[in-house]
Amino acid sequence: GAVVSQHPSWVICKSGTSVKIECRSLDFQATTMFWYRQFPKQSLMLMATSNEGSKATYEQGVEKDKFLINHASLTLSTLTVTSAHPEDSSFYICSAAPRADTQYFGPGTRLTVL
Amino acid sequence: GESVGLHLPTLSVQEGDNSIINCAYSNSASDYFIWYKQESGKGPQFIIDIRSNMDKRQGQRVTVLLNKTVKHLSLQIAATQPGDSAVYFCAENRGTYKYIFGTGTRLKVLA
Repeated sequence: GAVVSQHPSWVICKSGTSVKIECRSLDFQATTMFWYRQFPKQSLMLMATSNEGSKATYEQGVEKDKFLINHASLTLSTLTVTSAHPEDSSFYICSAAPRADTQYFGPGTRLTVL
Repeated sequence: GESVGLHLPTLSVQEGDNSIINCAYSNSASDYFIWYKQESGKGPQFIIDIRSNMDKRQGQRVTVLLNKTVKHLSLQIAATQPGDSAVYFCAENRGTYKYIFGTGTRLKVLA
């Protein structure tokens, strides 16, 4: 149980295009999901907290207009990287929280912007 | 500021030896701590957790120790195996949904 999936697992896109990443909790519901970004050999950096049915809460320094988050249901959150540039290339990881002290992480999505 | 840091960025151990990975945290209000293992190209995998009302918790081949006096957390892996090679992160939680992750330690198991 407690499986979180991400799709796609990797994506390569051209600069200026937008990319959507999906995060799904497969066997549980999560009112809250999180999006993290991870650069090579670095820790996870929380980008935003996604709440079902309401606007996401972004961490300081994260552009909300560039990283659009939609949490349309209790099992799905999406992150859209708009007008992607090479500096947006990173490993994006989501997690789903069925309760306050528990997070289950997805396998991550590798984004490469050419 | 808030931080959860690690003392050693890389730890190399011989196969079969015990590994100890350390983590320091700065906020005494944190009441829940988690260790994660992350293999290359994958998401973090839960290893073990501990609440602030405990000093020690054991799992299968792993033990987490919490020293609240010095705000220090450690993960001990017994009889380290090649499959244990990964990056290990500690994370703290303060009764909210938000986790704060440490910087990570890469564990290399030498044959």
